Amino acid sequence: DVKVTQSSRYLVKRTGEKVFLECVQDMDHENMFWYRQDPGLGLRLIYFSYDVKMKEKGDIPEGYSVSREKKERFSLILESASTNQTSMYLCASSSPRPEQFFGPGTRLTVL
Amino acid sequence: GESVGLHLPTLSVQEGDNSIINCAYSNSASDYFIWYKQESGKGPQFIIDIRSNMDKRQGQRVTVLLNKTVKHLSLQIAATQPGDSAVYFCAEKQGAQKLVFGQGTRLTINP
Repeated sequence: DVKVTQSSRYLVKRTGEKVFLECVQDMDHENMFWYRQDPGLGLRLIYFSYDVKMKEKGDIPEGYSVSREKKERFSLILESASTNQTSMYLCASSSPRPEQFFGPGTRLTVL
Repeated sequence: GESVGLHLPTLSVQEGDNSIINCAYSNSASDYFIWYKQESGKGPQFIIDIRSNMDKRQGQRVTVLLNKTVKHLSLQIAATQPGDSAVYFCAEKQGAQKLVFGQGTRLTINP
């Protein structure tokens, strides 16, 4: 089975802090994705990557950046956390097939 | 823009009954759809998918129906069990690798 892990289940940060969310997949998938999930808004794509060192903006990239230095790892960075970035963050990966496999999520609270 | 949406945000059924969760999509060119299940505190989990060249696909206790004429997708769960309680999302493939998700329907099971 595909396994997607995220570095933290719960995270509390202060406004202005730099935040790193890490995601690792173990199935040699080419594609990796970062979403945020908010009540009433569903899953919204922040960034995705289809290869090492490659990245593309999703629907809501503002305030975020990403890094993919190795195929199995995709990091989401909040350069200066703000309270409106309090959310559930979900990482996913996929092979050439469109089916995406999700991690357990990181619930981030920014105070 | 294109969107995937759900008719109802919540659905309550009796244990043992069949559940039907609906989804409307707007992009008539979409060729692939997925249903995900998300239990509390977990990431979305793949249930079943269907390509646009099919009208129906069956899995274990689940059936997905695709009506391209009215751009409608449904998930049927047979003999609903307490473990089926979750939020269910439909998703539509956009471009080569991206998925666009609906808002989600919360399914609750009454004993």
